[in-house]
Amino acid sequence: RKEVEQDPGPFNVPEGATVAFNCTYSNSASQSFFWYRQDCRKEPKLLMSVYSSGNEDGRFTAQLNRASQYISLLIRDSKLSDSATYLCAVSSGGSYIPTFGRGTSLIVHP
Amino acid sequence: GAVVSQHPSWVICKSGTSVKIECRSLDFQATTMFWYRQFPKQSLMLMATSNEGSKATYEQGVEKDKFLINHASLTLSTLTVTSAHPEDSSFYICSAIRRHGPGEQYFGPGTRLTVT
Repeated sequence: RKEVEQDPGPFNVPEGATVAFNCTYSNSASQSFFWYRQDCRKEPKLLMSVYSSGNEDGRFTAQLNRASQYISLLIRDSKLSDSATYLCAVSSGGSYIPTFGRGTSLIVHP
Repeated sequence: GAVVSQHPSWVICKSGTSVKIECRSLDFQATTMFWYRQFPKQSLMLMATSNEGSKATYEQGVEKDKFLINHASLTLSTLTVTSAHPEDSSFYICSAIRRHGPGEQYFGPGTRLTVT
């Protein structure tokens, strides 16, 4: 089993839709969790860290489920500009070097 | 925010030649820099961790004699792909962690290497 797994998609959704991605991790000692956004042929950019209690930033909500070992990203009211690949990253306690998932592709269409 | 630059942004070279990629933290000092490789539709794969003034730590399966890393200062790390082959063609991305900061990684814009 891979350390960090994501459904590669693509997720094809209309503008205004709500879409959610999950990311599962295998190391139960994982401590830090992140969502990155990567546009085609560009570097990843940090979208948000994921906290134990869940956190929200505008239209984006991230949650952590330690029991089932997954994190989620919810995007409400999707915009065309949200089209990108969303990478999750997980690091274990004491290490600031995250392991990245292969990413989930999102395509928002008019 | 913190800015990390990479040079060149893209390079085409012939098989057997060496290519050097620079990674600079422009407005902060970086304790540690990381080098990643990403093949199309694949995840970022960590190649090595580079600490200023010491030898790089390579991930399993990454040849240290082929991918030479030098971290000469707190703002510059270089990756040299020696005797490049077509299978080395990939997107190489560096990232840096601020010396006095929360440990968040800042990514460079990447270098696309094509070996013919």
